[in-house]
Amino acid sequence: GENVEQHPSTLSVQEGDSAVIKCTYSDSASNYFPWYKQELGKRPQLIIDIRSNVGEKKDQRIAVTLNKTAKHFSLHITETQPEDSAVYFCAAGDTNAGKSTFGDGTTLTVKP
Amino acid sequence: DAGITQSPRHKVTETGTPVTLRCHQTENHRYMYWYRQDPGHGLRLIHYSYGVKDTDKGEVSDGYSVSRSKTEDFLLTLESATSSQTSVYFCAISELGGEETQYFGPGTRLLVL
Repeated sequence: GENVEQHPSTLSVQEGDSAVIKCTYSDSASNYFPWYKQELGKRPQLIIDIRSNVGEKKDQRIAVTLNKTAKHFSLHITETQPEDSAVYFCAAGDTNAGKSTFGDGTTLTVKP
Repeated sequence: DAGITQSPRHKVTETGTPVTLRCHQTENHRYMYWYRQDPGHGLRLIHYSYGVKDTDKGEVSDGYSVSRSKTEDFLLTLESATSSQTSVYFCAISELGGEETQYFGPGTRLLVL
């Protein structure tokens, strides 16, 4: 089955700096790569996603890049703000699997 | 938030007792999932359903069973709860399964004493 590894497990940055979280996956059939944000005590919610026919996608301060050959994808947050502090999960899924596999999460702390 | 609710939201029970958690959706999505979330382990899939009466195991299915008799309801049962099943349980729904976003419920905190 699919295996998703996520790094780092914790990340601390100063407000205004950039943050990068990286994930690798093992199944070349995976074609959908979402990122979820989970604030303390809340449910995970989608913040951005990318499909295998696209190399990069941006939405304001967040962006995701995908390297299919190397089987890795990354989340980039620029100009970080304290409200970006949360746990971020990557995931990989495909059309035939019916499910996605999640990484173990990255706890991002943005210091004011 | 998508129309997805979980009940109960909090439960305390004793080792050896059966426990059933309910997930209810109003979105008519085909896929429904049960995850558990524990510190350091992220979201681990317990079971999922791809239609009424159609279910499959996830990576941590031992000790859990599920049922889906209606599109809108997905039940997770702990046949005989153990302390290792103390966790936060999230239900999620998706229209197209692995190739599409999952929408999560608010979660259920379960404490097994």
